[in-house]
Amino acid sequence: GAVVSQHPSWVICKSGTSVKIECRSLDFQATTMFWYRQFPKQSLMLMATSNEGSKATYEQGVEKDKFLINHASLTLSTLTVTSAHPEDSSFYICSARVPGLDYNEQFFGPGTRLTVL
Amino acid sequence: GQNIDQPTEMTATEGAIVQINCTYQTSGFNGLFWYQQHAGEAPTFLSYNVLDGLEEKGRFSSFLSRSKGYSYLLLKELQMKDSASYLCAVIGSNYQLIWGAGTKLIIKP
Repeated sequence: GAVVSQHPSWVICKSGTSVKIECRSLDFQATTMFWYRQFPKQSLMLMATSNEGSKATYEQGVEKDKFLINHASLTLSTLTVTSAHPEDSSFYICSARVPGLDYNEQFFGPGTRLTVL
Repeated sequence: GQNIDQPTEMTATEGAIVQINCTYQTSGFNGLFWYQQHAGEAPTFLSYNVLDGLEEKGRFSSFLSRSKGYSYLLLKELQMKDSASYLCAVIGSNYQLIWGAGTKLIIKP
């Protein structure tokens, strides 16, 4: 149980275009999902916390107008990178908190590798 | 500020034992996770500690000392597939995860 999927697994796009990444909880309902970014040889950096039915909470330094997050249902959150630039190239990972667990374990999606040319 | 320290890289031999340390200074503590991450993949859960002491799970064990702000992950009977990065993460006062930079573990035959 507690499987999280992401789509696409990798994407290459031209500078200036927008890219949408989907994160789905397959066998549970996730009221809270998290979006991370990881640059090579660095740790995960939390970008935002996505709550179903409400606006996402962005971490300091993350542009909410550039990284649009929509958590429209209990099983789906999307991250849209708008007007992508080469510096946005990174590994984007979503995770979901499983409700009802005694501790705050997060289950991770497989990640999406974004390359902006 | 909030800080989690781990060694950047460690090398060990197949069949041996290795201990990966993690020290933390955070505003609040609600538990500590260890995750394994293979290159190009997302992290996978290894262990969770919230009380002092040792948690054993097969070849992997995790220890926590809250008073010292210290944890370690112990890997026994190392296998080549254990070559990965090991991430220490602390649940802070606002229940968000604070991540260490990870320790790259290299296993040699």
